Amino acid sequence: GDSVTQMEGPVTLSEEAFLTINCTYTATGYPSLFWYVQYPGEGLQLLLKATKADDKGSNKGFEATYRKETTSFHLEKGSVQVSDSAVYFCALRLNTGGFKTIFGAGTRLFVKA
Amino acid sequence: DGGITQSPKYLFRKEGQNVTLSCEQNLNHDAMYWYRQDPGQGLRLIYYSQIVNDFQKGDIAEGYSVSREKKESFPLTVTSAQKNPTAFYLCASSIDRGSTQPQHFGDGTRLSIL
Repeated sequence: GDSVTQMEGPVTLSEEAFLTINCTYTATGYPSLFWYVQYPGEGLQLLLKATKADDKGSNKGFEATYRKETTSFHLEKGSVQVSDSAVYFCALRLNTGGFKTIFGAGTRLFVKA
Repeated sequence: DGGITQSPKYLFRKEGQNVTLSCEQNLNHDAMYWYRQDPGQGLRLIYYSQIVNDFQKGDIAEGYSVSREKKESFPLTVTSAQKNPTAFYLCASSIDRGSTQPQHFGDGTRLSIL
């Protein structure tokens, strides 16, 4: 069935380190892909999205490229800050049959000063 | 500023009791959603509504009920039939009634059993 798999956390980095959070998916057809961020005690916020193969979504220094050949949508940031500490969720939206959104389990990121 | 307001932030339920979680939005969005978040798991869709007076079951609707009498309000009732209600509940909305893609989320309600 359709699913999203994220790397297990927590991920702990020092400030200014390079960040990669892996996300792979299984889906029929051509889904749209998303990254959401959840700061402590808050709801989710849409961080970035990509709607077709080779699209790159970007926002607040974060980037992710829709790779159809590897069914991946890895999140990257060149230099993380303490304020980036949060839980990051990868998600896909099926573009057929009810347009269902499926979320990954989330990856917690801790950034140390 | 527009947004989604969930209340209360923390809620405790006794055995056999129904409790209702409030969700209000002033974004003028057509679609609203309820998700349940458990540790180590992704969000799971409980119910969603794409228009007033209409709602659909999500993946885990058993033990829950909703109503959508007004565009801005989508309350969720956790009934006594839900045997494992302890979780973090998130309400969301989107402007597009044609898809189930949540765009804005509230800050959540954490429900615990007494």
